[in-house]
Amino acid sequence: SAVISQKPSRDICQRGTSLTIQCQVDSQVTMMFWYRQQPGQSLTLIATANQGSEATYESGFVIDKFPISRPNLTFSTLTVSNMSPEDSSIYLCSVVLGRGGSEAFFGQGTRLTVV
Amino acid sequence: AQRVTQPEKLLSVFKGAPVELKCNYSYSGSPELFWYVQYSRQRLQLLLRHISRESIKGFTADLNKGETSFHLKKPFAQEEDSAMYYCALSAGYSTLTFGKGTMLLVSP
Repeated sequence: SAVISQKPSRDICQRGTSLTIQCQVDSQVTMMFWYRQQPGQSLTLIATANQGSEATYESGFVIDKFPISRPNLTFSTLTVSNMSPEDSSIYLCSVVLGRGGSEAFFGQGTRLTVV
Repeated sequence: AQRVTQPEKLLSVFKGAPVELKCNYSYSGSPELFWYVQYSRQRLQLLLRHISRESIKGFTADLNKGETSFHLKKPFAQEEDSAMYYCALSAGYSTLTFGKGTMLLVSP
């Protein structure tokens, strides 16, 4: 299994500012995933963070808005840049372990409110 | 592209009643299907996966490729089963596509 520590757990931010979310895993993993869960919606994958290379972004998400760092095999950050109220959401960090990627583990999430 | 559909936002049942949370998927290949659960104030966690063919907390789910479904079932619901349930599909590369989730409320 994996234990994921994510912080902050919540924040209220002014529009136009940026927030960096940190994700720490208790084991080394090749890929870390960042999801967004908007109110009443499903989890949507933002990007996959690979150690030693650029993150891979899903359709609709761009690096300028959601820059990601992956300095080592146990840590990643996601920054939500130039925030607007539409960015209010829960952001989740995740890793997948097991043969064939059989189980995903999640952080407790960061509840972001932009005012 | 893959898609997961959970048609019910909310399912409310009485304790002891049977439960079925519906999940349908669309994917052209051979998917791996999962059910994840989030209890109140807890993080999202794996409940079961179709490959394992196991029963967890009395829940089972059978992959029906003909109907492209992976419904979650339990014969007798318990109050502690109240939670948010997400059906998810993996098309490889460890990324997951989630349904919108179904809130299960089990009343005494």
